[in-house]
Amino acid sequence: NAGVTQTPKFQVLKTGQSMTLQCAQDMNHEYMSWYRQDPGMGLRLIHYSVGAGITDQGEVPNGYNVSRSTTEDFPLRLLSAAPSQTSVYFCASSQNSVPNSNQPQHFGDGTRLSIL
Amino acid sequence: GESVGLHLPTLSVQEGDNSIINCAYSNSASDYFIWYKQESGKGPQFIIDIRSNMDKRQGQRVTVLLNKTVKHLSLQIAATQPGDSAVYFCADLNQAGTALIFGKGTTLSVSS
Repeated sequence: NAGVTQTPKFQVLKTGQSMTLQCAQDMNHEYMSWYRQDPGMGLRLIHYSVGAGITDQGEVPNGYNVSRSTTEDFPLRLLSAAPSQTSVYFCASSQNSVPNSNQPQHFGDGTRLSIL
Repeated sequence: GESVGLHLPTLSVQEGDNSIINCAYSNSASDYFIWYKQESGKGPQFIIDIRSNMDKRQGQRVTVLLNKTVKHLSLQIAATQPGDSAVYFCADLNQAGTALIFGKGTTLSVSS
């Protein structure tokens, strides 16, 4: 039962480097999203997608790009990493944007990213 | 604006006690709320949801209460167990209905 798989689990980058955080789900969910979680801040939405080929910005999109070429995958790209992007990143998926007890939103276990 | 917050960042209880975790929201138009549980090193996990046409909803050992008059909801956990130790978040939908807005979380610690 894979659910939502995020890779890598940990990553250390230098300022200015670029990288892609991978997210894949095997539940044929239409809706996928990326959050960052910082101490005392809860989860904040970065980008989301309501289906393949469609993406939109969330609350804190600056410095991040996404694409949704397939239903299964929703990678998050940091074009030029900055120390302010040090955080834990969570990917989530659900059948639609309004999860419920029958169709809950599933989260991956996160990617812990440090920018030096 | 939209914001969902919790009253207390931490809550410590004894095993077997009932726990009450509170959340206040600012958007009076919010019509759907979810409680999540996040264990250490894991992503958030759906616990229970409630729509604004309800005042109360019960699950297994959990009850969510919604007071729309004061824009407040609470999560009650009966007979709290050590396995309930986690961070609990409330969340509601943004005005467009396209994304969840999370509160800052309450850390529940259960001692034996």
